Amino acid sequence: QKEVEQDPGPLSVPEGAIVSLNCTYSNSAFQYFMWYRQYSRKGPELLMYTYSSGNKEDGRFTAQVDKSSKYISLFIRDSQPSDSATYLCAMSSGYSSASKIIFGSGTRLSIRP
Amino acid sequence: EPEVTQTPSHQVTQMGQEVILRCVPISNHLYFYWYRQILGQKVEFLVSFYNNEISEKSEIFDDQFSVERPDGSNFTLKIRSTKLEDSAMYFCASKDSGTRSTDTQYFGPGTRLTVL
Repeated sequence: QKEVEQDPGPLSVPEGAIVSLNCTYSNSAFQYFMWYRQYSRKGPELLMYTYSSGNKEDGRFTAQVDKSSKYISLFIRDSQPSDSATYLCAMSSGYSSASKIIFGSGTRLSIRP
Repeated sequence: EPEVTQTPSHQVTQMGQEVILRCVPISNHLYFYWYRQILGQKVEFLVSFYNNEISEKSEIFDDQFSVERPDGSNFTLKIRSTKLEDSAMYFCASKDSGTRSTDTQYFGPGTRLTVL
């Protein structure tokens, strides 16, 4: 079983729709959960960061973590064409301060005007 | 807003040559990382670096790779003898003190390495 699994898509939705992106993971040691956005041939850009279970909201973005199910989600409300990108879920254990990040394979999202 | 910078943006080299990829992390950050992304694949961890020594390295990071923080601002990745399969985007990342509220890594724009 892969440590982090993410549906690669592509996912295409009309402008204004609510987008739901998801990842599952197998390592119960993961404590920190992140969503990065990556445009083609660019570096990952941090969108959301959560520690442990629960919800976190930032503008049109909501990150959700369910540690009991080992499942994380990112919701995008009122999606815009500029949201078109690849979204990477990422997580780390935080056991040491230098903990590495494990990434999902990324979901390619396209918002149709 | 402070950001991680990387140079060059694109490096082309011949197989067997040495390359050095350069990164300037965010100035008050203490933890430094290299990741790579082969085209169409996921971002993979290579190495983490703290207090002038390697904290952790992946199995990809073999004897051909080395890292250095030569002058307190730059962080470099050296590949001694490049192979075709080293062709990838290489991302540098840095992180603050590692307290719970700030345990996030910020990534640079990447260096695209092409080995011919």
